[in-house]
Amino acid sequence: DIQLTQSPSFLSASVGDRVTITCRASRGISNYLAWFQQKPGKAPRLLIYSASALQSGVPSRFSGSGSGTEFTLTISSLQPEDFATYYCQQHNSYPLTFGGGAKVEIK
Amino acid sequence: EVQLVESGGGLVQPGGSLRLSCAASGFTFSDHYMDWVRQAPGKGPEWVGRIRNKASSYTLEYAASVKGRFTISRDDSENSLYLQMNTLKTEDTAFYYCTRLAGTGWSNAVADYWGQGTLVTVSS
Repeated sequence: DIQLTQSPSFLSASVGDRVTITCRASRGISNYLAWFQQKPGKAPRLLIYSASALQSGVPSRFSGSGSGTEFTLTISSLQPEDFATYYCQQHNSYPLTFGGGAKVEIK
Repeated sequence: EVQLVESGGGLVQPGGSLRLSCAASGFTFSDHYMDWVRQAPGKGPEWVGRIRNKASSYTLEYAASVKGRFTISRDDSENSLYLQMNTLKTEDTAFYYCTRLAGTGWSNAVADYWGQGTLVTVSS
């Protein structure tokens, strides 16, 4: 199975900050990586797929990059509604796997 | 508006069975691959399995942790997805989400819509 390691697992940031979360795959997954946002008590929400494709309706302050084994999710200017937990997921091969999550909290 | 509504969760004893349902609306259900994803309280999501569409012969994929115990099925005439869970274990306790996949290729077979989830608790 492909293991996904996210870092940091927790970060404290302020509104307006630029935030970057990294996801590393245990072996190459081309660009088949998605990012989800989850708020407490809610289902995950798709933000980005295929590493850099922005899902319809997602604000342009979210962006993704990477290929192979290293990927990043960037929030260019953190907004109050962005405080949440972020998960990466590989959609390259079965079983699909998720990273351990990165919780973004208010500083 | 796309809606996915799960039902059937509850408390079950270890070794027991449960059948989850997902009612889909707002899109052409028969065109889409569908996944079940679960999330234990306080943990990250875990993919459970997939059922493809009729064009792909309704073929299935499962996570190793549920293979042989769980069965995914669908009824396109009822716009419904199912998850039959047998021989349940305490580690199967989780919220179970029905998800729609955006596309059918590796590049876009990602869960673009999720239900609200239904809680399955396996405990004696």
